[in-house]
Amino acid sequence: SQELEQSPQSLIVQEGKNLTINCTSSKTLYGLYWYKQKYGEGLIFLMMLQKGGEEKSHEKITAKLDEKKQQSSLHITASQPSHAGIYLCGALGGSARQLTFGSGTQLTVLP
Amino acid sequence: NAGVTQTPKFRVLKTGQSMTLLCAQDMNHEYMYWYRQDPGMGLRLIHYSVGEGTTAKGEVPDGYNVSRLKKQNFLLGLESAAPSQTSVYFCASSYGDSRNEQFFGPGTRLTVL
Repeated sequence: SQELEQSPQSLIVQEGKNLTINCTSSKTLYGLYWYKQKYGEGLIFLMMLQKGGEEKSHEKITAKLDEKKQQSSLHITASQPSHAGIYLCGALGGSARQLTFGSGTQLTVLP
Repeated sequence: NAGVTQTPKFRVLKTGQSMTLLCAQDMNHEYMYWYRQDPGMGLRLIHYSVGEGTTAKGEVPDGYNVSRLKKQNFLLGLESAAPSQTSVYFCASSYGDSRNEQFFGPGTRLTVL
């Protein structure tokens, strides 16, 4: 079965700083999703990557899938308190196209 | 367009009690999923459905049953709740296409005493 490892597990940054979250897979990734979760709420879709080397951006968040398709990174530029939450990566797989998730990265942005 | 809704939002059960969690989606999605989220473990798939009348086991199905009698609804049942089932439960749905973006409900926080 596929396993996803996220690092770091938690991150505290000062507002305005840049940060990176990594997601490493034990197998080749055929679809990698990034979600954000605020405490007590559901998951909000951020972006999906499928092709090796692919990079997508949404506002100040950029995600990239490496060429070998076994690692993805999520980069936030000039972080804001609104970026705080748990970031989860999910890998697509299985007959029902279900997602296998990493354990999440808890991001705190200090004002 | 409500998206994915879950009821109830919170519930406290005693060991051995039963309950049903309801998930509803109004996006005409074929696929529906039930996940549980525990601290430090991300989300794990309990059961899923690829269409009305179908269900299948996920990664952690023991102690749960599901039904998909209507396309828009996916029910998760606990026949005899155990403290190990204390968790936050999320329902998700998708079209099941190549992109398969999953839309998540707000979650149900369940405590079993």
